Amino acid sequence: DTAVSQTPKYLVTQMGNDKSIKCEQNLGHDTMYWYKQDSKKFLKIMFSYNNKELIINETVPNRFSPKSPDKAHLNLHINSLELGDSAVYFCASSLRDRGSYEQYFGPGTRLTVT
Amino acid sequence: AQSVTQLGSHVSVSEGALVLLRCNYSSSVPPYLFWYVQYPNQGLQLLLKYTSAATLVKGINGFEAEFKKSETSFHLTKPSAHMSDAAEYFCAVSERRNTGFQKLVFGTGTRLLVSP
Repeated sequence: DTAVSQTPKYLVTQMGNDKSIKCEQNLGHDTMYWYKQDSKKFLKIMFSYNNKELIINETVPNRFSPKSPDKAHLNLHINSLELGDSAVYFCASSLRDRGSYEQYFGPGTRLTVT
Repeated sequence: AQSVTQLGSHVSVSEGALVLLRCNYSSSVPPYLFWYVQYPNQGLQLLLKYTSAATLVKGINGFEAEFKKSETSFHLTKPSAHMSDAAEYFCAVSERRNTGFQKLVFGTGTRLLVSP
């Protein structure tokens, strides 16, 4: 009965590789997000999708490309990984018309680039 | 643009003592405010939220927060700390947008340490 799930939980890879992180929510929400948490625990939004449409795109390098095949899924593909991409990536979801806009977070994916 | 400032990267209390975690916000429009908790190696869990109803908001696990517009604050409190409260706490602000889409802006977090 997991609400927001992410795979994989841990990802260790070398510089220059391409990797993907997957996110799924079963809450019936229509909006999904990707956040990056750095080593100092600072959380920053990267992207947001509503019903498969990109609505928030922060100043993220072009190497990061989100894809939303449907409103329950939001994947993150990263090309040419760099050391600075090492972080914990969180997926979250919310319901736009709920009125309170609270977001529900997944367990995170810890990406380590060596 | 909205922002939040959390005073104190670390707060230490004894078990049974009052917990006070400070958060001040900046927003050009009336905000929504949230407190999230992150336990080690886990995702964020919503503790409580302010959405313009009552200014004193009660959340889970005995936590509450008071919205004070004059002080632009939304401090988190708990009367009696428990060992299980040890975690990282994040304050977040979101602008109310007519579009319905929100962007959460997080503070830098406060680590709560609880000693026996």
